[in-house]
Amino acid sequence: ELKVEQNPLFLSMQEGKNYTIYCNYSTTSDRLYWYRQDPGKSLESLFVLLSNGAVKQEGRLMASLDTKARLSTLHITAAVHDLSATYFCAVDILSTYGGTSYGKLTFGQGTILTVHP
Amino acid sequence: DTGVSQNPRHKITKRGQNVTFRCDPISEHNRLYWYRQTLGQGPEFLTYFQNEAQLEKSRLLSDRFSAERPKGSFSTLEIQRTEQGDSAMYLCASSLSSGGAKADTQYFGPGTRLTVL
Repeated sequence: ELKVEQNPLFLSMQEGKNYTIYCNYSTTSDRLYWYRQDPGKSLESLFVLLSNGAVKQEGRLMASLDTKARLSTLHITAAVHDLSATYFCAVDILSTYGGTSYGKLTFGQGTILTVHP
Repeated sequence: DTGVSQNPRHKITKRGQNVTFRCDPISEHNRLYWYRQTLGQGPEFLTYFQNEAQLEKSRLLSDRFSAERPKGSFSTLEIQRTEQGDSAMYLCASSLSSGGAKADTQYFGPGTRLTVL
């Protein structure tokens, strides 16, 4: 059974500081996603990582993937209050039915990020 | 904005009652997923539709749960004889199959929060 573990689960940061969220998964994956969720809201797609060594950046967030270590990281640079949210990584394992391949996501527990002034 | 929509957004019901939720995916998306999210956890996969065919059901989906996607457009999720343990956020996601190794990002709706009293 695929397991996806994030750490830390809770992260309290000061504005302007840097930090990294880690996502470990237990089996070979086809794709890895990072999502953001604000309280009471749905999930917003941040990054899709498709291959070993993939790195993607958007604003103050940068995600990377090491498939050999089964590890993805989400690095936050110079945090601002607007980044406060819950961040989930999700691993996509392709399944096949009748010749059709499709993905289903297995999520980590989420990291609750709070950025303080 | 023609994102994924879900109705109702909130549902409070008494134990033993039946409830039905609706999901309208992004119009050109042929893939539709249902997930369940309980407080403090990441979403868990429930079921997947490719067009109108239900190709996979999680073990989480007991006999009291049924999902349909007539004509490959909107989908409904029905829970019969609700139990307090069914209280959760029910999320719908859709994606467009792109084939090969391309990303197949799932876009999530706002969710239906179910409370069973």
